[in-house]
Amino acid sequence: GESVGLHLPTLSVQEGDNSIINCAYSNSASDYFIWYKQESGKGPQFIIDIRSNMDKRQGQRVTVLLNKTVKHLSLQIAATQPGDSAVYFCAETVQGGSEKLVFGKGMKLTVNP
Amino acid sequence: DAGVIQSPRHEVTEMGQEVTLRCKPISGHDYLFWYRQTMMRGLELLIYFNNNVPIDDSGMPEDRFSAKMPNASFSTLKIQPSEPRDSAVYFCASSLWGGQPQHFGDGTRLSIL
Repeated sequence: GESVGLHLPTLSVQEGDNSIINCAYSNSASDYFIWYKQESGKGPQFIIDIRSNMDKRQGQRVTVLLNKTVKHLSLQIAATQPGDSAVYFCAETVQGGSEKLVFGKGMKLTVNP
Repeated sequence: DAGVIQSPRHEVTEMGQEVTLRCKPISGHDYLFWYRQTMMRGLELLIYFNNNVPIDDSGMPEDRFSAKMPNASFSTLKIQPSEPRDSAVYFCASSLWGGQPQHFGDGTRLSIL
C-alpha cells in the first residue's frame, strides 16, 4: 500500500556536524515530496520540497536529494545547530490526485552542544 | 504574515462532553486540512476541504467526529460525545492549492478524562 517510512527513528549529532535524515517511500506514482520540522509544542513547519523532475534541491543549509530509482529521499543539514533539534517528517503526494500528503512516522534529531 | 490560527491551544474535558476545535486558515488558501497526531499513529489526515467543500472525509474515525467550513476563513472540528481515546493533538493546515506545501497551525492539545 501507499506508505512513507523513515530509516532511523533517532539521530544524535554534535553541533557543527552535518546531518543526514533518510526516508523511503513505496508509491512509485508520488511526484511531490516535502520535508517538515516539528519542534516541541508546535505544528510541523515546512522546510523544503522537491518535485519528481528534480534530483536535488538546495535551501539555506539544507539539501534534499531524491532517488526515484530506489524510491529514496534524504534531507541533509549542513553545520547542524542546537536549534535544528526537532522531529523531522518526510511526506509524499501525487499532484493532481487526491491532494493528500502521506507522512512518515518522524525522526528525532538531537544536536549536542 | 498571520499563519494558521487554532483555538483553543489546550482543552481538557470529561468523556461524554462535546468538544469543538476551531481553525482560521491563511487568507487566500483554498485548501484546509484537519489532522490528528498521536505517538502511536503519527500524523493522520481526518478530512480536507477545497473552497469550503469537504472533499475527502475517509479519515474521520467515527460518526462522533464532524467538520464544517461555513466560509473561507473558518472551520470547526467537533467531537460529540468525546471519549478518552480521542486524546491527541489536532492540527489544522491550509495550502494555496493542491500542489503547494501545507502550512500548519500549532495545534490543539486535547485531553479527554
